[in-house]
Amino acid sequence: EAGVAQSPRYKIIEKRQSVAFWCNPISGHATLYWYQQILGQGPKLLIQFQNNGVVDDSQLPKDRFSAERLKGVDSTLKIQPAKLEDSAVYLCASSLDRVAGANVLTFGAGSRLTVL
Amino acid sequence: GNSVTQMEGPVTLSEEAFLTINCTYTATGYPSLFWYVQYPGEGLQLLLKATKADDKGSNKGFEATYRKETTSFHLEKGSVQVSDSAVYFCAFEPTGANSKLTFGKGITLSVRP
Repeated sequence: EAGVAQSPRYKIIEKRQSVAFWCNPISGHATLYWYQQILGQGPKLLIQFQNNGVVDDSQLPKDRFSAERLKGVDSTLKIQPAKLEDSAVYLCASSLDRVAGANVLTFGAGSRLTVL
Repeated sequence: GNSVTQMEGPVTLSEEAFLTINCTYTATGYPSLFWYVQYPGEGLQLLLKATKADDKGSNKGFEATYRKETTSFHLEKGSVQVSDSAVYFCAFEPTGANSKLTFGKGITLSVRP
């Protein structure tokens, strides 16, 4: 099966500019996640969708970050305006459902953002 | 609150050496435990998992046992290869609907020939 697709792979912008990342999950996966991975740290969940509804966005900086998942398939994560500390890899993941009590996520390759 | 702690890295080993990467967690109840791996230039992928106490997850020669009494899920491999060079993340997911997967900081493993 095709994996989780993300674009762009790399993006360099100046602070206060805006940027958008796109994710196409595995076909049939109901749950979609966006994680932020800052260099030297583990991924941190930004937002979780179940179909096209938000399940958890408690760690999303809502003053500058937004995300949507129209029609419950593709998703877009936007940052506006960007700050230097937003430099990170943005990971998209999807999951079918809980498997034997453990929710197995499939990750995309990530979008690396550098803010200058 | 819920958290996971990994040993500090990086770790450099010679090929065929024994590997142990420590991971401990703090959580109520019986979380599910995972090891994810990130090879250079690739996305995170699941290496192994365990869903209840005393379960042993295994894959590609790696093993980890869910130890409830020590709240640990240490990753081991008897003989590492150069191709095992990657970043390894311990993670856990608390019980309950819509609970979220929480990752440790990750540890970089370099295996030299």
